[in-house]
Amino acid sequence: EDKVVQSPLSLVVHEGDTVTLNCSYEVTNFRSLLWYKQEKKAPTFLFMLTSSGIEKKSGRLSSILDKKELFSILNITATQTGDSAVYLCAVDLSSGNTGKLIFGQGTTLQVKP
Amino acid sequence: NAGVMQNPRHLVRRRGQEARLRCSPMKGHSHVYWYRQLPEEGLKFMVYLQKENIIDESGMPKERFSAEFPKEGPSILRIQQVVRGDSAAYFCASSPPSMRKTQYFGPGTRLLVL
Repeated sequence: EDKVVQSPLSLVVHEGDTVTLNCSYEVTNFRSLLWYKQEKKAPTFLFMLTSSGIEKKSGRLSSILDKKELFSILNITATQTGDSAVYLCAVDLSSGNTGKLIFGQGTTLQVKP
Repeated sequence: NAGVMQNPRHLVRRRGQEARLRCSPMKGHSHVYWYRQLPEEGLKFMVYLQKENIIDESGMPKERFSAEFPKEGPSILRIQQVVRGDSAAYFCASSPPSMRKTQYFGPGTRLLVL
């Protein structure tokens, strides 16, 4: 069965800290891995990763994929209270014509002032 | 360019009633996906549609649930004879054909079954 596992499930840090969120996966026909940030409402797209070892960056956020070890990490440096959210990792399966994303259970990040 | 729109944002139904959830994809997007998020759980894929076609419904419960994406108008997720276990947030996502896998999500419909 296709599976995506995120860790930790929850995390509390103080402003200015750096955090690393983990996502490991066991799927057939991997195509890409995506990170989303979910606050009260819609998950908002952060990154799509398809190749191993290439870091993607957006401001204080960065992410990298290791296709050999089947995991990805999301780093947030100099955290701010606005980073508090649930961070979702999803894997896109390329089998057939499916558009299915398999999501992990999410990591709830709380950044305290 | 407006994002993915869903309505209603909140829906309350009594057991046995029907729930109808609507999703208008982003402009230029012809692929629609529905996901369900139960409390304290991640998003679970339900169905993937293109205009007038269901492409993958492997995540849809076999009974009471149906989805459509007509040529004109929004995509509809319909739940007949709702039960308490259907209470969840239902998210719709859309993507353009050229970047099929970058899915952009709507704000969700929170369904509460009394």
